[in-house]
Amino acid sequence: GAGVSQSPSNKVTEKGKDVELRCDPISGHTALYWYRQRLGQGLEFLIYFQGNSAPDKSGLPSDRFSAERTGESVSTLTIQRTQQEDSAVYLCASSITGRTEAFFGQGTRLTVV
Amino acid sequence: TQLLEQSPQFLSIQEGENLTVYCNSSSVFSSLQWYRQEPGEGPVLLVTVVTGGEVKKLKRLTFQFGDARKDSSLHITAAQPGDTGLYLCAGEVAGGTSYGKLTFGQGTILTVHP
Repeated sequence: GAGVSQSPSNKVTEKGKDVELRCDPISGHTALYWYRQRLGQGLEFLIYFQGNSAPDKSGLPSDRFSAERTGESVSTLTIQRTQQEDSAVYLCASSITGRTEAFFGQGTRLTVV
Repeated sequence: TQLLEQSPQFLSIQEGENLTVYCNSSSVFSSLQWYRQEPGEGPVLLVTVVTGGEVKKLKRLTFQFGDARKDSSLHITAAQPGDTGLYLCAGEVAGGTSYGKLTFGQGTILTVHP
């Protein structure tokens, strides 16, 4: 595709349910990031994948959050037992090597009710 | 504790005014980038600076990388309402444990009133 694609664009879920967010990076980009952005705030780092290296999970806020990526393809961010404080926009970005320009998707707006 | 501290966090100014946003760290960065994010969109790269002391200009925007590569600034001359958005600095820590990982500052929300 032409850019980073995220789905769904919007997700409303009930408290306690699990959700899966998907990110399709730009083809050939080895690095992939997930960020969380609360309303009117900056970016909060969640996880970083670089090629086949072990992911940097240092930003995951709790064990309810997990992410997977197979090779240099699609990534999924899973939030288990969602809480209202999980409501935010979840942004995915990819870049060629990690140190170069990061291209962002338009995000998934998650609302937990 | 933020690796990259941006200031101010919020900035509200009138059209035509000048402004400066700062990005500071105690760590040395291999390179530093500035992004702008408009409502409902993902951040978009404005510029990358790689050399200590480097200054880059992009129309009314001037970006500077500190000599020690620990800080950067973004100066906007004669701000316009179209400059409104979230400005983010991001960098790769030199010698960091996660190869190539970009670390983002918390952002500066700029509002330019007509």
